Amino acid sequence: QQQVKQSPQSLIVQKGGISIINCAYENTAFDYFPWYQQFPGKGPALLIAIRPDVSEKKEGRFTISFNKSAKQFSLHIMDSQPGDSATYFCAASTGGNRKLIWGLGTSLAVNP
Amino acid sequence: DAGVIQSPRHEVTEMGQEVTLRCKPISGHDYLFWYRQTMMRGLELLIYFNNNVPIDDSGMPEDRFSAKMPNASFSTLKIQPSEPRDSAVYFCASSLGAPAKNIQYFGAGTRLSVL
Repeated sequence: QQQVKQSPQSLIVQKGGISIINCAYENTAFDYFPWYQQFPGKGPALLIAIRPDVSEKKEGRFTISFNKSAKQFSLHIMDSQPGDSATYFCAASTGGNRKLIWGLGTSLAVNP
Repeated sequence: DAGVIQSPRHEVTEMGQEVTLRCKPISGHDYLFWYRQTMMRGLELLIYFNNNVPIDDSGMPEDRFSAKMPNASFSTLKIQPSEPRDSAVYFCASSLGAPAKNIQYFGAGTRLSVL
């Protein structure tokens, strides 16, 4: 049973466009929602994270939007660049639990 | 800091052979995680340790898989005997113990091919 559902599986965006990746969760006890970025041949690395006490968090061109009532959160990449081409994973965890529940990932390609 | 160090980066072996993957976490980190990544199943948590003690091994697929953490700076994941379906990229990650710092730092991974 997958507790975090991520979509789309793959995404192609033109340079300068907005990339949007969505995740939905089932467990209302989740209270930490990170996004990780993975380049080919590398391990995932934390990109940005949010806790449910805020509805939005922005870091540079990357923004997480969080909708607690809908149990959804999304990653927005503004002014997408070819260097953003990577696989993006959403995840969630509860309380002090170190175990992250992962989405299946979205492969993003930004065309020049 | 050099980050999480995994070895080897690539491993090719034949079915039935024993495979040992190694990981050195970031110094001072209390948690260590082993993941398996495949196209079909994405990132799967196999096991994680806290202060060298296994906390959750529910993701270990079979008895053929075992993991140890003899000290704070070293962990191994062993597959014996290996099978072609074990072919995947295996990642090790570590994190600090502070609850507000639930950030996992990943190594570069070991790509395992079982022929």
